[in-house]
Amino acid sequence: DAGVTQSPTHLIKTRGQQVTLRCSPKSGHDTVSWYQQALGQGPQFIFQYYEEEERQRGNFPDRFSGHQFPNYSSELNVNALLLGDSALYLCASSPRTGDRYFGAGTRLSVL
Amino acid sequence: AQSVAQPEDQVNVAEGNPLTVKCTYSVSGNPYLFWYVQYPNRGLQFLLKYITGDNLVKGSYGFEAEFNKSQTSFHLKKPSALVSDSALYFCAVRDKKDSNYQLIWGAGTKLIIKP
Repeated sequence: DAGVTQSPTHLIKTRGQQVTLRCSPKSGHDTVSWYQQALGQGPQFIFQYYEEEERQRGNFPDRFSGHQFPNYSSELNVNALLLGDSALYLCASSPRTGDRYFGAGTRLSVL
Repeated sequence: AQSVAQPEDQVNVAEGNPLTVKCTYSVSGNPYLFWYVQYPNRGLQFLLKYITGDNLVKGSYGFEAEFNKSQTSFHLKKPSALVSDSALYFCAVRDKKDSNYQLIWGAGTKLIIKP
């Protein structure tokens, strides 16, 4: 049974570009949460998806958007990239009322 | 406001010695408490959690943590450190009444085990 998988593992973009990150949840999990982890800091909650809808959102601008598909996989989109968006982006999946399992993350560098 | 504090940015321990990574929390209600570990260029791995019951919780890789309600602490411990325990450790808390099950994270503590 595969755990949470994220792609790509690394990504380099320039300011102003758009990026899409992908996440496949652990088997049996229907809820996906996204986090941003800047270097030397703890994860910051971006948003959570359940039943293909955004259920909760952290303190992130509208440039950050997402989607959940019927197979529970999810995408995180970031528009108009800024240098400050450089971070490790973590996806976590869980049952609706269960503990979160994290993927290895996507390292985004904005130049 | 809910918060988690990890007062030490870095903890250095000699291999074979006991280790403690500190965590204190503030929540309005009763807490669920978690410890996660992050190895370089890797995601977060679950170590252990406190839900209810025995204040001493045992987890993966020989780690344990003690819940102290009066001191609002949940310190991570291991009796004998290994070099391979060197990593970044995060404490997290969730209010039992939070229906969205969101975790509040500490800033992390870098644990360095020296041979």
